[in-house]
Formats: sequence, C-alpha cells, structure tokens
Amino acid sequence: DGGITQSPKYLFRKEGQNVTLSCEQNLNHDAMYWYRQDPGQGLRLIYYSQIVNDFQKGDIAEGYSVSREKKESFPLTVTSAQKNPTAFYLCASSPAGGSYEQYFGPGTRLTVT
Amino acid sequence: KQEVTQIPAALSVPEGENLVLNCSFTDSAIYNLQWFRQDPGKGLTSLLLIQSSQREQTSGRLNASLDKSSGRSTLYIAASQPGDSATYLCAVQGGIYNQGGKLIFGQGTELSVKP
Repeated sequence: DGGITQSPKYLFRKEGQNVTLSCEQNLNHDAMYWYRQDPGQGLRLIYYSQIVNDFQKGDIAEGYSVSREKKESFPLTVTSAQKNPTAFYLCASSPAGGSYEQYFGPGTRLTVT
Repeated sequence: KQEVTQIPAALSVPEGENLVLNCSFTDSAIYNLQWFRQDPGKGLTSLLLIQSSQREQTSGRLNASLDKSSGRSTLYIAASQPGDSATYLCAVQGGIYNQGGKLIFGQGTELSVKP
C-alpha cells in the first residue's frame, strides 16, 4: 500500500529533551512538509523540502530542525528551544512543490511536561 | 497576508439533511483549494481538490464549488449520515505567499450528524 507513515503515534517527553518524529513515504513524492496543529487553530507550516538534501523554513520554524537525506524520509526534531512543543504534528507529501495535491500521514501527538 | 476563514465553527444536523460548509479567503491569487476531513486524533483525508481554473468538483455525495474572484468556496454534503461526523478543513495553495506549495488552512467546521 502506498502512503505516509508517522511514528510514534504518541510521544511523551520531559521539558529540556530533544525528540525526533519520523515521517516516511513510499509515494515517490519529491516534496514533503511538516505542519503543527493546536486546538482551535488551523495547521501551520514548520518546514518543507522540495528535493533531497534541501529544505526551507516555514512560518514557525523556531525550535525545530529537519533533514532530508533520502527521498522517502523527512524526520523532524523538536529541540529544547521550542517554547511550546506540545501539539499534534502532521507530515504531508506531494509529487512536487507548488500546486499539487498534498497527502497527509496519521500524525504524532507530542506531549512535553 | 492570506487568511482563510470557515463558517460555522460547529454544526449539528439531523441525519438525512443536506448541508453547506463555507470557506472564504482574502487573496484570490491561488493555485487551488482543497477540502479535507479530519476524524478526532487522526490525520487529514483529502476529499476534493479544485484547481483555480475550475468552478466545482464532485465526489459521491460531496460537491465543492469555487468562486475565486469573490474568495469563496462551499462544500455541499447531500443526505448527511452519522458517519459524516468529523471536522472539515479547507486550505488554499499558491499566490505570492506560496512557500514550496504550502497550504494555508482555515480553523475548520466541526460537523455532528445525529441519528
């Protein structure tokens, strides 16, 4: 089955710890995205990548980092510098950047205490 | 700055009713508009994608329209069922605020269909 997988589904961390969220796709898509969703708010873009070994900051990149070493993988690290990391994180992909339909993974809910 | 607004924020209807969800956006220079469904604690499922050159798209009981010049889209759900209960999100893509194809989302309409 083609699709996007995110792991883990739930993640709990103590304040001050870095944590990495996994995102994998087997759709052969060039573009991948990370969004954050908070209660009562729309999704906001954290980082995006249009091609391997290249990525760009989105609207709320502070306190986050990413890598794109393989086409199918786009992990997101939430660092201790992120002031309010508790949220629902969604990964998406599309055939290319620009004007293509995006497909979303099942999400990871991160809770930091 | 592109802003997307969805009205109403929540809607409760009896089963079988036809209903309309509204989405408006402030900048008409978009490539496309997508409607998504989100069940509690889950990811987003794409329902319909309307390109900027199109006026509407249909899939089963769903029909989405787009009026780019007025910055409006509607999602029409015919003969609603309890299984339609979810949050519906609209998102626009493109224009001068485009960052690699990022989607700009509304806050969603939470739909509850009562048996």
